Amino acid sequence: DAKTTQPTSMDCAEGRAANLPCNHSTISGNEYVYWYRQIHSQGPQYIIHGLKNNETNEMASLIITEDRKSSTLILPHATLRDTAVYYCIVRVTQGNKLVFGAGTILRVKS
Amino acid sequence: GAGVSQTPSNKVTEKGKYVELRCDPISGHTALYWYRQSLGQGPEFLIYFQGTGAADDSGLPNDRFFAVRPEGSVSTLKIQRTERGDSAVYLCASSLMGAETQYFGPGTRLLVL
Repeated sequence: DAKTTQPTSMDCAEGRAANLPCNHSTISGNEYVYWYRQIHSQGPQYIIHGLKNNETNEMASLIITEDRKSSTLILPHATLRDTAVYYCIVRVTQGNKLVFGAGTILRVKS
Repeated sequence: GAGVSQTPSNKVTEKGKYVELRCDPISGHTALYWYRQSLGQGPEFLIYFQGTGAADDSGLPNDRFFAVRPEGSVSTLKIQRTERGDSAVYLCASSLMGAETQYFGPGTRLLVL
């Protein structure tokens, strides 16, 4: 699975959009981009995933660049409860295990 | 519906003892995964079951670690002769099939004294 690079930490004001970047310059054509988050003392929670097109669900939006070498997770209106570690993972379509990096610590502040 | 559940939520044991950690996946999920998370790090893959069989056990660190899923539902992770370095949060996840979205349980926090 391709390696991902994320900033170590980010701050965001409550109510503002949180934009979390991820670089995956060695991504292959059959690899999806997945985002999970982990709130303190809980298991990881699935957020969203995509292959080429931008995706949106009730939690977030995922913007993937045309060359697929990077992506951005957008939380449109961050709340204090969105404070967590956010993991960007690239994964083959037939793969099973998730390979987690260190993730980005997002701190939402009032 | 119910999510993935794990028991116990916390386990304290002494070095050299044997422990069993249990995972109840989401009903109907055929794939089950075990991960281990040390403090300050992301989860690390241990083993993946498709049905009753271990399809990928490449993440098990050594032969003290073993996992079973005899009826294709509940799984037990077994650790023999525990060492202090085994202290971590052990996470279980399940999915409908191998490549689908994985849903995680809350984890079991193991402390080996």
